[in-house]
Amino acid sequence: DIQMTQSPSSLSASVGDRVTITCRASQSISTYLNWYQQKPGKAPKLLIFGASSLQSGVPSRFSGSGSGTDFTLTINSLQPEDFGTYFCQQSYSTSTTFGQGTRLEIK
Amino acid sequence: QVQLQESGPGLVKPSETLSLICRVSGGSISTYYWSWIRQPAGKGLEWIGRMYIRGSTDYNPSLKSRVTMSLDTSKNHFSLTLSSMTAADTAVYYCARDRGVGAAIDSWGQGTLVTVSS
Repeated sequence: DIQMTQSPSSLSASVGDRVTITCRASQSISTYLNWYQQKPGKAPKLLIFGASSLQSGVPSRFSGSGSGTDFTLTINSLQPEDFGTYFCQQSYSTSTTFGQGTRLEIK
Repeated sequence: QVQLQESGPGLVKPSETLSLICRVSGGSISTYYWSWIRQPAGKGLEWIGRMYIRGSTDYNPSLKSRVTMSLDTSKNHFSLTLSSMTAADTAVYYCARDRGVGAAIDSWGQGTLVTVSS
């Protein structure tokens, strides 16, 4: 299986901050990397697919970049509703795997 | 807009088989792939498997020996069975629309909690 490692595991940031979450794959996955946001008690929501494509309806303050093994999710001008846990997912291999998650808290 | 809804028993005894159904509305299950994902309380997401209308399936290697997935086009739903349940299988189970290998999971059900306990 391809292992996905996110960092940090948790972070706290203020409204208006720029936040960066990283995801590293154990082998090259090209740009087959997706990002999800999950709020407590809810299902995950797709934010970014193909490493950098914004899912329809997702605010433009969310962006993704990277290729190969290293990827980044950036939230510009953090908003109060952006709290939650963020997961990366590789869809390169038949057996898809997720990162362990990054919990984002709003100060 | 496609909507998914899981249903099934909230409690399963150890060694028994779990059966879940995912009802799909707002779209046909004859297109796309359909996946099951689970999440133990306070932990990350684990993909269980996916299937396609033509009968092709992909399963998580760690669960493959215990998993079966099927589609019922007449009812527009798909199902999961997971045998030999243990406490380690206690989790919220999600069904989802999967765009397949190389793509993303773009629609999710609300999830259903399954507890394994005697």
